[in-house]
Amino acid sequence: GAVVSQHPSWVICKSGTSVKIECRSLDFQATTMFWYRQFPKQSLMLMATSNEGSKATYEQGVEKDKFLINHASLTLSTLTVTSAHPEDSSFYICSARATGTVRIGLFFGSGTQLSVL
Amino acid sequence: AQSVTQLDSQVPVFEEAPVELRCNYSSSVSVYLFWYVQYPNQGLQLLLKYLSGSTLVESINGFEAEFNKSQTSFHLRKPSVHISDTAEYFCAVSPTTSGTYKYIFGTGTRLKVLA
Repeated sequence: GAVVSQHPSWVICKSGTSVKIECRSLDFQATTMFWYRQFPKQSLMLMATSNEGSKATYEQGVEKDKFLINHASLTLSTLTVTSAHPEDSSFYICSARATGTVRIGLFFGSGTQLSVL
Repeated sequence: AQSVTQLDSQVPVFEEAPVELRCNYSSSVSVYLFWYVQYPNQGLQLLLKYLSGSTLVESINGFEAEFNKSQTSFHLRKPSVHISDTAEYFCAVSPTTSGTYKYIFGTGTRLKVLA
């Protein structure tokens, strides 16, 4: 099956710093990627839809200036948490869908655990 | 709009016993349905999906789910569970006309298999 690589798998940072998370589709091209946030023992909440070559579409309540998304190529999307604060600590997961195939379904990265001190 | 309900937040079951994880959905349009499994500190892995055709779908590791349109359900079952099946299971739907593949997830069911 398709492989989506997410890096780093965990990161600890100081409050006020920025953290970048990468999501790569390794064996397929993805015009669309998604970023989710998951709190402990809760479901995934869609944060934004990342479209290659255009601006991301954010869900209601998600701060665009805080969670910067860049989808510069068909295999890479990045999420930057700017000026991170402890309340941003969470598990972030990306997913990607294949382009130009009849494959249906999303392929998920392994997630990034962010801890802001 | 769509919504997914997983009524059971936790399901404890003894090893080799059968299990059913319930999923109900609400949607005004037709949807694709999915079950994903998440192991601790990992991303989601697709377990099985219903797109069209036979309403009974099976996975390679013994799970199966049946789409029931009249009851808007997509319950997940396994006749005999193993310790290794202990994980969080998420049901999800995506509108068939959704060009964005926007998924709506349920709140998850934690399956704990006891020895």
